[in-house]
Amino acid sequence: ETVLTQSPGTLSLSPGERATLSCRASQSVSSSLLAWFQQKPGQAPRLLIYGASSRATGIPDRFSGSGSGTDFTLTISRLEPEDFAVYYCQQYGNSPRTFGQGTKLEIK
Amino acid sequence: EVQLVQSGAELKKPGESLKISCKGSGYTFTTYWIGWVRQMPGKGLEWMGIIYPDDSDIRYSPSFQGQVTISADKSIRTAYLQWNSLKASDTAMYYCARRATLGELDYWGQGTLVTVSS
Repeated sequence: ETVLTQSPGTLSLSPGERATLSCRASQSVSSSLLAWFQQKPGQAPRLLIYGASSRATGIPDRFSGSGSGTDFTLTISRLEPEDFAVYYCQQYGNSPRTFGQGTKLEIK
Repeated sequence: EVQLVQSGAELKKPGESLKISCKGSGYTFTTYWIGWVRQMPGKGLEWMGIIYPDDSDIRYSPSFQGQVTISADKSIRTAYLQWNSLKASDTAMYYCARRATLGELDYWGQGTLVTVSS
């Protein structure tokens, strides 16, 4: 199966700063079928990005995704207080689908 | 409005059976796959499997094959996740999610907390 490794495990930043989260796959992700999710405590995950770079409905444009093959990035251009959460990548191009272990974005 | 509404929290004993549900509304239930995701306490997300409600085509993650049963009843727009004999290690939050046309999981249920304890 395709193993997704997210880094860093924890990212400490301040509101207004730029966040860069990485997701690396153990093999090429077919057709760049990679998504990013945000999860806040006590809530279900929320889709942010699909197809590596397409924003889901209602997602602010400060969230952007990039990458292809085995290396993908989620960028949050200017952090808002509500952006502090855990972020997961998921690939759905190879079977079985797999998730990364998550990156916790915390307030510095 | 697309919604997935899951059944309520469960407290069960080891060895008991359980079936939890996920009811879809606001879209054509039979034409979208429904997936299941496990989240153990304090841990990350794990892909369990997916079902196409129209013909009950099912794909299990190898890690969950034989451990759970996924099913659906399209007449009542509901997907299910079932265990025959629960273990303490099945304690987790379970989410259902709709697979969109391009494959991403675009709508999620609120989650069902399953606690298995003697």
